[in-house]
Parts: sequence; structure tokens; C-alpha cells
Amino acid sequence: DAKTTQPNSMESNEEEPVHLPCNHSTISGTDYIHWYRQLPSQGPEYVIHGLTSNVNNRMASLAIAEDRKSSTLILHRATLRDAAVYYCILRVRQGGSEKLVFGKGTKLTVNP
Amino acid sequence: KAGVTQTPRYLIKTRGQQVTLSCSPISGHRSVSWYQQTPGQGLQFLFEYFSETQRNKGNFPGRFSGRQFSNSRSEMNVSTLELGDSALYLCASNPRQGVFSDTQYFGPGTRLTVL
Repeated sequence: DAKTTQPNSMESNEEEPVHLPCNHSTISGTDYIHWYRQLPSQGPEYVIHGLTSNVNNRMASLAIAEDRKSSTLILHRATLRDAAVYYCILRVRQGGSEKLVFGKGTKLTVNP
Repeated sequence: KAGVTQTPRYLIKTRGQQVTLSCSPISGHRSVSWYQQTPGQGLQFLFEYFSETQRNKGNFPGRFSGRQFSNSRSEMNVSTLELGDSALYLCASNPRQGVFSDTQYFGPGTRLTVL
């Protein structure tokens, strides 16, 4: 069964880059990698997603390993507002349906 | 545009009762998905509705059911509540069919406590 593994917590200083890793060694060729984050007392918020190539948007970058068994979410300059729990999620195609595999999340603390 | 709204925000029920939660998607969004979030299990996918039909389903017992109306609003029902059903129930909407086929816009959730 597909699985994602993330560190429980990470810490960063404001204005420094943050690299949040996710291991998904059982990923298959059609599985998408999604990242969402959840601020306290809010629903999750979309960050970025990708399939094979690295992706960039205004919020973050997603670096996907060549073998796709791991990926890294990169926040280029952390701010205090980036303090949240970050979830790595696989969208898995199984037959005619889709399944989501959620990581346990990494709690990011940003120090001023 | 107004975001995804969920009602009620907080709910307390006792074991054996049933509960109905409501979700109004962003205007124009036709897909609504439901999720359960607990400290122990984390986030788990319940089901997805699109055009009033359930399209995808997670691994939850039949006590968890849902429906979607013609205006895309959705309700989730849990019957015969158990203590382990205490959780934050989140719904999310997106314009297209398919779980996570597009950016999911989440509501703030309904916090259900079962006593």
C-alpha cells in the first residue's frame, strides 16, 4: 500500500529557506504528489502539487527526486505566517477510482 | 467569492445518536469532498460527490453517508455515533470531478464531540 512519511516537526528562522521532506517510496508512475498546509483552527490550504518535474509557484517550490520516491517542499524565505502543519499527500489511481494517502504532517515552527 | 462554509461549527452528541453536517461549496464548484481529522489517525478521506453522485469513497463503515443536492450543497450523516467518531470534519470543494483533481478549497470544519 502507498504510504507517505514526514518528520513530525521542524524549526526555522524567519527569512531563511525551509526544506520539508516527504518520503513516498511506494509511489507509482501515475500518482500525484500534493502539499497542503493547515494553520491553527483553519482548514487545510493548497500549497503546490506535481507529478514528475519540479514545480514552482508564488508560495513555494516542489522538488521531486528523479526516482520519485521522495520530494521536498521548499519555502524560499520563511515568514511567521508560514508556521503551520504541512501535509504531503499522494493521489493514487486504483482501477477506476482514486484514493488519497495522507502523511501525518510536519509542524513547522518559525522563529522571529 | 465566499469561501466554503460548514454548519454547525461545533456539535456535541451522545453515543448512539445520529448527526448531519452541512457544507456549502464555493459558487460554481460542483465537487464536494469530506474528510475526517483526528489526533490519532490524522486526515482521512471519506467520500466525494459530484453532480449529486458519489464518485469516490474512502475506507469508512456504512454508518458514514452523504448526499449532494442540485445546488451542489452537501450533507454528511453519521448514524449510531461512537466515541471514536469525535473529530474535526472538513469539507472541500473544487470545480472539477475527481479527488484532488484540482485545488481543493477547504472549509473551517465542524468539530464533533461524542460523549
